[in-house]
Amino acid sequence: DAGITQSPRHKVTETGTPVTLRCHQTENHRYMYWYRQDPGHGLRLIHYSYGVKDTDKGEVSDGYSVSRSKTEDFLLTLESATSSQTSVYFCAISPRDRKKAYNEQFFGPGTRLTVL
Amino acid sequence: QKEVEQDPGPLSVPEGAIVSLNCTYSNSAFQYFMWYRQYSRKGPELLMYTYSSGNKEDGRFTAQVDKSSKYISLFIRDSQPSDSATYLCAARTGYQKVTFGTGTKLQVIP
Repeated sequence: DAGITQSPRHKVTETGTPVTLRCHQTENHRYMYWYRQDPGHGLRLIHYSYGVKDTDKGEVSDGYSVSRSKTEDFLLTLESATSSQTSVYFCAISPRDRKKAYNEQFFGPGTRLTVL
Repeated sequence: QKEVEQDPGPLSVPEGAIVSLNCTYSNSAFQYFMWYRQYSRKGPELLMYTYSSGNKEDGRFTAQVDKSSKYISLFIRDSQPSDSATYLCAARTGYQKVTFGTGTKLQVIP
């Protein structure tokens, strides 16, 4: 998994509670991404980061926030979880090589989140 | 309309068959095209990427892009049971974000 870990791997929570998912990488990659994957929708980008404290929104960012205070960690927060946020969440990274930055994305193992 | 469309399958083939997986796309500005393989309960892994039109071969896998018809294909020769997975096509413009298809589930039967 290109040195990417995600925690927790599974989580069940209740509607209205805050949830934070963590993505950790060991290879000093600049670009990091958070996706969600749902049946019928495929992978959709939530937020991405192009450096420490540099983040931007993806196509489904409502209800999510992110932070990146260190190169190796990219956090995804659901401020007040809803049942529609039940999904599998994947973190991805892109290598520093500018020619390859947007071609190659390496994905983490995923976090299965259930919001009751 | 999704920018990248895939038939969800499932597609079942016997071991050794040639598999053809296909996607269509609507954004004529897409320049880079990728194929990912995703095993059950795992993250996607990049198989191949191509730039613009043409073919690219890597072992048993061949990726093909026809920009005139906005068609993306992945061919797998001599398919193996270990090829059973979901295959995602993806595309992007220049340095913009990647758009993924919903994936086609492939089952190779021994």
